[in-house]
Amino acid sequence: DAKTTQPPSMDCAEGRAANLPCNHSTISGNEYVYWYRQIHSQGPQYIIHGLKNNETNEMASLIITEDRKSSTLILPHATLRDTAVYYCIVRANNYGQNFVFGPGTRLSVLP
Amino acid sequence: EPEVTQTPSHQVTQMGQEVILRCVPISNHLYFYWYRQILGQKVEFLVSFYNNEISEKSEIFDDQFSVERPDGSNFTLKIRSTKLEDSAMYFCASSAGTGRGTGELFFGEGSRLTVL
Repeated sequence: DAKTTQPPSMDCAEGRAANLPCNHSTISGNEYVYWYRQIHSQGPQYIIHGLKNNETNEMASLIITEDRKSSTLILPHATLRDTAVYYCIVRANNYGQNFVFGPGTRLSVLP
Repeated sequence: EPEVTQTPSHQVTQMGQEVILRCVPISNHLYFYWYRQILGQKVEFLVSFYNNEISEKSEIFDDQFSVERPDGSNFTLKIRSTKLEDSAMYFCASSAGTGRGTGELFFGEGSRLTVL
């Protein structure tokens, strides 16, 4: 799987948009970009994933650059409950293939 | 919403003892996983399981570890003789294998193992 690079930490004011970047310059054509988050010591939680088009769901939006070498996860109106470690993972779309978690970005939403 | 459940939430054991961690994956999922996270460190893959056999395992998953799906609902991780360094949070996960979906993993809340 391609490796990803994320900033170790970010702050965001409550109610503002949180934009979390991820670089994945060696991504292959069949690899998707997945985002997970881990609140405190809970199990990682799936947020969103995409291949090349931008995606949006009830939790977040995912913007993938045209060359697919980087992406941004957007939490449109961050709340204190969004404080977590956010993981960007690139992975082929294969059932059964494991996810490799890096150190992620620790997002702190400040009141 | 269906979820992965794990028991126990916390287990304390003496070094050298056997431990079994239990998981009930989402009912229509076909792929099952164990991950672990030592305090303050990354989430690490241990093993994946499909069709009643291990499909992939990491270097961490040595002969002291085993997995089993003893019935149609449970998925277990056994550590035969625990070591101090096995102290960690262990996460079970499952993913669908048919129909729509792209294989995203759904994780349980974890079982914290403390080895004394």
